[in-house]
Amino acid sequence: GAGVSQSPSNKVTEKGKDVELRCDPISGHTALYWYRQSLGQGLEFLIYFQGNSAPDKSGLPSDRFSAERTGGSVSTLTIQRTQQEDSAVYLCASSAPSGSVDEQFFGPGTRLTVL
Amino acid sequence: AQSVSQHNHHVILSEAASLELGCNYSYGGTVNLFWYVQYPGQHLQLLLKYFSGDPLVKGIKGFEAEFIKSKFSFNLRKPSVQWSDTAEYFCAVTSGGATNKLIFGTGTLLAVQP
Repeated sequence: GAGVSQSPSNKVTEKGKDVELRCDPISGHTALYWYRQSLGQGLEFLIYFQGNSAPDKSGLPSDRFSAERTGGSVSTLTIQRTQQEDSAVYLCASSAPSGSVDEQFFGPGTRLTVL
Repeated sequence: AQSVSQHNHHVILSEAASLELGCNYSYGGTVNLFWYVQYPGQHLQLLLKYFSGDPLVKGIKGFEAEFIKSKFSFNLRKPSVQWSDTAEYFCAVTSGGATNKLIFGTGTLLAVQP
């Protein structure tokens, strides 16, 4: 079956522009996570969705970052007024709760470069 | 707050050498532990996981890891590495709470020379 997909795979933008990153989780996975992988910070958690609600947004670095999920499926991460420090690979993962802990399946990521 | 430490940032080995990558976590409660691997140009994939039971867990491609609760450690091992094991390895922990978010270590870049 299809894995987690993300688009675009690469995004180059100018400082101050807004960007939208998309994640399509594995069908039927109710949990969805966004992480960020950057040179100085490693892999960091950003936000967690269970269905369409986001009970944990604790990793979002500023109010320029927001995310939504619709239909319990596709999620969009939006970064407003991008800054150079936003340059990173943004990873999406999904899992299907079937107990206390579940494996997270990762997508290929979106590489964001802010000039 | 939980944290994960990986002691080796960059490891270079020859084929057939044995591998051990260190991982320590800081959390006093019940933890769930993972090793993820990222091969060049590929996405993160699960190597192995520990939730409970036998502290010695076996994963894919001949990897294993041992959970030592008293040392807060979850080291990754492989008796004989291959060139195809060249990748970045990430240790991660989740407390198993409502979120199950992963807290990652900084990663270890392994280069295996043929």
